[in-house]
Amino acid sequence: EAGVAQSPRYKIIEKRQSVAFWCNPISGHATLYWYQQILGQGPKLLIQFQNNGVVDDSQLPKDRFSAERLKGVDSTLKIQPAKLEDSAVYLCASSAIGGAERQYFGPGTRLTVT
Amino acid sequence: GENVEQHPSTLSVQEGDSAVIKCTYSDSASNYFPWYKQELGKRPQLIIDIRSNVGEKKDQRIAVTLNKTAKHFSLHITETQPEDSAVYFCAASNAGNMLTFGGGTRLMVKP
Repeated sequence: EAGVAQSPRYKIIEKRQSVAFWCNPISGHATLYWYQQILGQGPKLLIQFQNNGVVDDSQLPKDRFSAERLKGVDSTLKIQPAKLEDSAVYLCASSAIGGAERQYFGPGTRLTVT
Repeated sequence: GENVEQHPSTLSVQEGDSAVIKCTYSDSASNYFPWYKQELGKRPQLIIDIRSNVGEKKDQRIAVTLNKTAKHFSLHITETQPEDSAVYFCAASNAGNMLTFGGGTRLMVKP
């Protein structure tokens, strides 16, 4: 079974630029999550999708972050404009069960904002 | 919202010894408690989880215990091996189905 795929793996941008990350979940997993992991901290949930609908986006900084999952499969997370404090690893996870259970993570995208 | 505290932040043990990591949570409605292992530069991997209707769960050398009254849960690793060295994260899911992670414990197993 293929795991969660993410791209790119690394990205370096200057502040105020925009960036987009892509995630393809495990086949058949209806629930998809985006997390932000700052160095030395645990992952922090940004947004959760069930199929193509948003379940929770209470911790997503909506003035600069956006995410979509139009066809209920892959998803994109965008930051525009980026700030220095956005430097982090952005992790995508998926679950077959839903809710918060049995989440499987992708390799992440390491973003550096200079 | 939910708040998860994890201790210790670093733990060093000799190979073959046991390791215990403890977490506390704030939301009494939380009902799902997974543990993740993250090696340097790698993705978090689910190693064991427990639901609130169970007090203890074991899988080979790892076990998790849950005390709902005290709102704390622990990860126990027995007969530690060098390959157990990693950062371990606990997490809790509240009624809103949002997973909140602890700050992590860096476990170092010395050969």
